[in-house]
Amino acid sequence: QKEVEQNSGPLSVPEGAIASLNCTYSDRVSQSFFWYRQYSGKSPELIMSIYSNGDKEDGRFTAQLNKASQYVSLLIRDSQPSDSATYLCAVNKRSFQKLVFGTGTRLLVSP
Amino acid sequence: DGGITQSPKYLFRKEGQNVTLSCEQNLNHDAMYWYRQDPGQGLRLIYYSQIVNDFQKGDIAEGYSVSREKKESFPLTVTSAQKNPTAFYLCASTTGGSSPLHFGNGTRLTVT
Repeated sequence: QKEVEQNSGPLSVPEGAIASLNCTYSDRVSQSFFWYRQYSGKSPELIMSIYSNGDKEDGRFTAQLNKASQYVSLLIRDSQPSDSATYLCAVNKRSFQKLVFGTGTRLLVSP
Repeated sequence: DGGITQSPKYLFRKEGQNVTLSCEQNLNHDAMYWYRQDPGQGLRLIYYSQIVNDFQKGDIAEGYSVSREKKESFPLTVTSAQKNPTAFYLCASTTGGSSPLHFGNGTRLTVT
C-alpha cells in the first residue's frame, strides 16, 4: 500500500463546474496535509494547507480533512481552463517536515 | 524578493561524470530538501537538512551527495554511481514544524 494515494486521472470537467480531487493516506499519525498545483514542466506551488478535521476555504478552493477515514480532498469551484494542471497531495507524518507526496491527479478543464 | 534559486535550469552531462546542482535560498529557512521527480511520478526525497552542517538521507539517497556549509545553500551532487540520473530535480525549504515546503524552479538534468 502506498503511503499517499491519488487517482492519476485525468479528471475532466467543463469550465464552471466543481472539480473534486481526492487523496488517501496510510499513516494514522499524519499531522499536516498540503495540496500543491504543478503545471507541466514547472515546480509545485502550494495551494492549500490543512491541519485539523473539517473544511478550510480559500477563494475558489476548499480543502477537506477526515482523519478518521484518512482522506483529504480538494474542491475547486467555478473551474477555469487555467486550473488545468497536476494536483499533488502531500502528507507530513511528524512534526518535522518530511513530506510524502502522492503521484498526483491530472485535472483538465475544458472551455 | 525572497525565494529559492536553482541553477542551472537545464543541465546536460555525459554518463560517468559527476554533476553538482545549485540551490540557494534567502528566506532564512532552517530546513532544506532535495526531491527528484520522474515523468508521471510523484516527488521522491533524496536528502534533507534541518540545520547547518547536518543532513540526513531520504528514501533514494544512493548515488547522491550533499553538503550544508551555509544556511542559504544546499548543493546536490549527482555522482556516476547514480544509475538513472536523468530527472527533474527540485530543491525546497521551510521554516520547520508544520510549515509547508516552498520549491525552487527546478533543474532538469539529462545524462546521455
